[in-house]
Amino acid sequence: NAGVTQTPKFQVLKTGQSMTLQCAQDMNHNSMYWYRQDPGMGLRLIYYSASEGTTDKGEVPNGYNVSRLNKREFSLRLESAAPSQTSVYFCASSGGGRPAYGYTFGSGTRLTVV
Amino acid sequence: DAKTTQPPSMDCAEGRAANLPCNHSTISGNEYVYWYRQIHSQGPQYIIHGLKNNETNEMASLIITEDRKSSTLILPHATLRDTAVYYCIVSLGSASNTGKLIFGQGTTLQVKP
Repeated sequence: NAGVTQTPKFQVLKTGQSMTLQCAQDMNHNSMYWYRQDPGMGLRLIYYSASEGTTDKGEVPNGYNVSRLNKREFSLRLESAAPSQTSVYFCASSGGGRPAYGYTFGSGTRLTVV
Repeated sequence: DAKTTQPPSMDCAEGRAANLPCNHSTISGNEYVYWYRQIHSQGPQYIIHGLKNNETNEMASLIITEDRKSSTLILPHATLRDTAVYYCIVSLGSASNTGKLIFGQGTTLQVKP
């Protein structure tokens, strides 16, 4: 099925460990995004990539790095995980242009840092 | 990106229309109004968007006031499956033009039998 695929779906990390969250889309979208959602809160933008080869910071980029590997894939890396990074992480993509006809979101990665 | 104000929660009877308001008094002329919803802990789902004119699709209708300072999302016949958090967002709509989607707190809509 077409859409945004995130892996893994669940992850538990120890403080200080590193990991990479993977995201891939098969809709030939130009733009991709990483959001985090803490309990009872709205989504906050971490990083985005307007097009292949570009990345920019969002609202809460500290503690994260991203890579736009190609048009399909956009990964999020935690170099040294902290308990404050316990959250649900959503990847999204859009066709870009004006207007962006609907972002498509993945099903999320539930990350717990202990 | 302009900010939006939504009521934190609303109730609606099943089968009735749900009208969700949103204020965006600082919206600029080229910003769009987007509506998304999030059911339980799933990823947000796109509902509808508009610029100036009212819009309708298979999911909902979007009514934008003439001055564009507020809008209303209408779910014409709410069902229990429409229980969700609804987000109103204003944005240029293109990441390449810094039109990222910035989510607020949204409105929790509870559809009751």
